[in-house]
Amino acid sequence: DGGITQSPKYLFRKEGQNVTLSCEQNLNHDAMYWYRQDPGQGLRLIYYSQIVNDFQKGDIAEGYSVSREKKESFPLTVTSAQKNPTAFYLCASSSPGGMAKNIQYFGAGTRLSVL
Amino acid sequence: KQEVTQIPAALSVPEGENLVLNCSFTDSAIYNLQWFRQDPGKGLTSLLLIQSSQREQTSGRLNASLDKSSGRSTLYIAASQPGDSATYLCAVYYSGNTGKLIFGQGTTLQVKP
Repeated sequence: DGGITQSPKYLFRKEGQNVTLSCEQNLNHDAMYWYRQDPGQGLRLIYYSQIVNDFQKGDIAEGYSVSREKKESFPLTVTSAQKNPTAFYLCASSSPGGMAKNIQYFGAGTRLSVL
Repeated sequence: KQEVTQIPAALSVPEGENLVLNCSFTDSAIYNLQWFRQDPGKGLTSLLLIQSSQREQTSGRLNASLDKSSGRSTLYIAASQPGDSATYLCAVYYSGNTGKLIFGQGTTLQVKP
């Protein structure tokens, strides 16, 4: 059953704590993305990765970090430097090229709240 | 600046009505445009993708059009049903953006029985 799996579904962060959101895909996609969604707003890009061992900052990368050691995995760490982390986080991946280029497929999301 | 705007932010219609959702973008150098559906607390489901060379795409009761010259796309939903209630987002992939999608804020649709 191909798709994108995000875990956990809900996550709570204490003050000063780093937390890591998991994103795994078995679609054999090269590119992966992390987005943040705030209530009533569209998605904003945090980080993206076109290939393994390479990633670029998106529009709101401050306070976040990522790694891409495997093609299937793109974990996002929300660091203590992110002062307003409460949001819905979505991971996506996209196909490599051709007419299907950049059709992005999304996971079910992780809702992060601050205790 | 490359921006995508969706108006209205919310829409409520009676069941059975045909409706149009609007999406506008500021830069005509797009590669493709994608319409998504999002149910509350869920991820996004791709509905339709229109390449820059295409004028429209259809899937069942959904029809999406693209007019690059005016910077607009519309999503037409025929014979709306309560199950169509969701937030609809459009996203633009601009040429040369190396994979970055620019999203609109979404239109939240409620179809009343």
